[in-house]
Amino acid sequence: EPEVTQTPSHQVTQMGQEVILRCVPISNHLYFYWYRQILGQKVEFLVSFYNNEISEKSEIFDDQFSVERPDGSNFTLKIRSTKLEDSAMYFCASISGSVEKLFFGSGTQLSVL
Amino acid sequence: QKEVEQDPGPLSVPEGAIVSLNCTYSNSAFQYFMWYRQYSRKGPELLMYTYSSGNKEDGRFTAQVDKSSKYISLFIRDSQPSDSATYLCATYTGANSKLTFGKGITLSVRP
Repeated sequence: EPEVTQTPSHQVTQMGQEVILRCVPISNHLYFYWYRQILGQKVEFLVSFYNNEISEKSEIFDDQFSVERPDGSNFTLKIRSTKLEDSAMYFCASISGSVEKLFFGSGTQLSVL
Repeated sequence: QKEVEQDPGPLSVPEGAIVSLNCTYSNSAFQYFMWYRQYSRKGPELLMYTYSSGNKEDGRFTAQVDKSSKYISLFIRDSQPSDSATYLCATYTGANSKLTFGKGITLSVRP
């Protein structure tokens, strides 16, 4: 079965540090997403990406966040200066066509100390 | 107004019970209604989806949508311990838009 791969599975960082979360979407997918889930809260949409540009972003996705598809396979989320409240599980997802073909990765647990 | 509200949990039932999980939503633009299952430290996995109103059945699972009342339900028949997980309802307008999730309910099926 196709799989979205995320690395690392767990990242610990100090407040104010930059972090990059990495994702390898499914190879023939065209739309890519980042979602996050703070412990005990909803899975929240951050950003969607298509054709090498952001197609939609939420209020959470401020200037501290950026996304990039540096090559044909990777999709990254960068947080420039992490805050304590950025601690969450971050999920990458990709889709091609219908919603039943939207797949999530296993997530990166980000802990900001 | 919160876009998707899900009945709070957790929920614990004996094996073999019928489970009913429910959500309401506020945005009439939503066209697709999904149920995801999430195990600890894993990403959401699509369980079932329904387009517009109606029922959809897959084995022991039935998804039901009533667009007139903006109500989404998932029924699990003959529940098994392996069904123990967090269940998330989600909505989607289509055309590769974002998913909007409910908070999730943790289900525990006791042997």
